[in-house]
Amino acid sequence: EVQLVLSGAEVKKPGDSLKISCKGSEHSFTSHWIAWVRQKPGKGLEWMGIIHPGDSDTRYSPSFQGQVTISVDKSISTAYLQWSSLKASDTAMYYCARPIGRLGEVGYYFDYWGQGTLVTVSS
Amino acid sequence: QSMLTQPPSVSGAPGQRVTISCTGSSSNIGAGYDVHWYQQLPGTAPKLLIYDNNNRPSGVPDRFSGSKSGTSASLAIMGLQAEDEADYYCQSYDNSLSGHWVFGGGTKLTVL
Repeated sequence: EVQLVLSGAEVKKPGDSLKISCKGSEHSFTSHWIAWVRQKPGKGLEWMGIIHPGDSDTRYSPSFQGQVTISVDKSISTAYLQWSSLKASDTAMYYCARPIGRLGEVGYYFDYWGQGTLVTVSS
Repeated sequence: QSMLTQPPSVSGAPGQRVTISCTGSSSNIGAGYDVHWYQQLPGTAPKLLIYDNNNRPSGVPDRFSGSKSGTSASLAIMGLQAEDEADYYCQSYDNSLSGHWVFGGGTKLTVL
């Protein structure tokens, strides 16, 4: 069974930096992309970006390009989502999920999800 | 504004059938890309419910079904149960400049 385990909740101030993690359990971690998804309080899901642990190929949603950095350390089966300067508007639940699909990226859906990391940014 | 439009809420009594629509455009559903559905119970992560328009992952009851036609898709839930009360999201691929994978805004299902 695939498991994605996210790091714990964070409370930060505007301007702080932050890096949250998503650790995969499967031995084939490097074979599948990992995606990050944001959910603001009471709102819907937003795809942020994906990374391939095998070669670190990374793609960002235009809405998040330049706002966050996605990285991976395949030696420990862990993907990361990083901010250099948080804003109050970054307050949200963040999920990592595994995209998969028979048609490649145009047919991707997210079959496994981590439990979520709540990031709260407040002065 | 989501690229996939869902009704904010639907409701139904136990045992009834409800449907949730997901309306897209020529750059996503209308372009032929598959639609997938997720169920998010309160306080939990989303769970894959339907993939590739009408396929259920192992463990999802056959009370849940999906369909797609033109620029829209639908999720149907038959024999509504109290535990179905959740938020439901559709998702597809979009080939415009706005992004790759897009979600609907979500629909809150209330079991009366």
